[in-house]
Amino acid sequence: ETGVTQTPRHLVMGMTNKKSLKCEQHLGHNAMYWYKQSAKKPLELMFVYSLEERVENNSVPSRFSPECPNSSHLFLHLHTLQPEDSALYLCASSQRAPGQGIGVYEQYFGPGTRLTVT
Amino acid sequence: LAKTTQPISMDSYEGQEVNITCSHNNIATNDYITWYQQFPSQGPRFIIQGYKTKVTNEVASLFIPADRKSSTLSLPRVSLSDTAVYYCLVGLNDYKLSFGAGTTVTVRA
Repeated sequence: ETGVTQTPRHLVMGMTNKKSLKCEQHLGHNAMYWYKQSAKKPLELMFVYSLEERVENNSVPSRFSPECPNSSHLFLHLHTLQPEDSALYLCASSQRAPGQGIGVYEQYFGPGTRLTVT
Repeated sequence: LAKTTQPISMDSYEGQEVNITCSHNNIATNDYITWYQQFPSQGPRFIIQGYKTKVTNEVASLFIPADRKSSTLSLPRVSLSDTAVYYCLVGLNDYKLSFGAGTTVTVRA
């Protein structure tokens, strides 16, 4: 138990569906992240919320939409996904000082949501 | 972006030392090097972090040569429970983090 929970653990959705992934951290951290883990590929950092502000990442398709209502909760809204979006989606959190790069900090990961797009 | 390269897999036996080397030839001056461990159906878990020379904690050591173009994670006296995937992470700033593809370490009795 890392103090980061994710729901659901498994999700199957069609390409026309809309769904949301939820993450909650109980560690008092002020930064949260979404990662994508595909088979045989390195982890990809998708989104960063630091001090409740999103750091933009223009490389992620707009069919993925993050939301961070407070420092403990993070959502990833999904719509009109493609089969290649099937992957394990991991949430992580860390403490972070303003202006400091996230690579300095120990990140705590949740167990992930296994997403299958059919 | 510092590209990281690791061996795909390594086999070992209980009680042996396992050394995993990660190459990161274009590491930036301010980049840190971090290693994570991942078991099936779990997220990665932090093992150790360093910037230069040697770092040691209760579970592992991290060796970083002066040029910082590679790093070696050393796991002393592994047990069956150390069977996992180990990831090297290089970087500092948002969206410039580079994870390696992971090394599957299999420990046999």
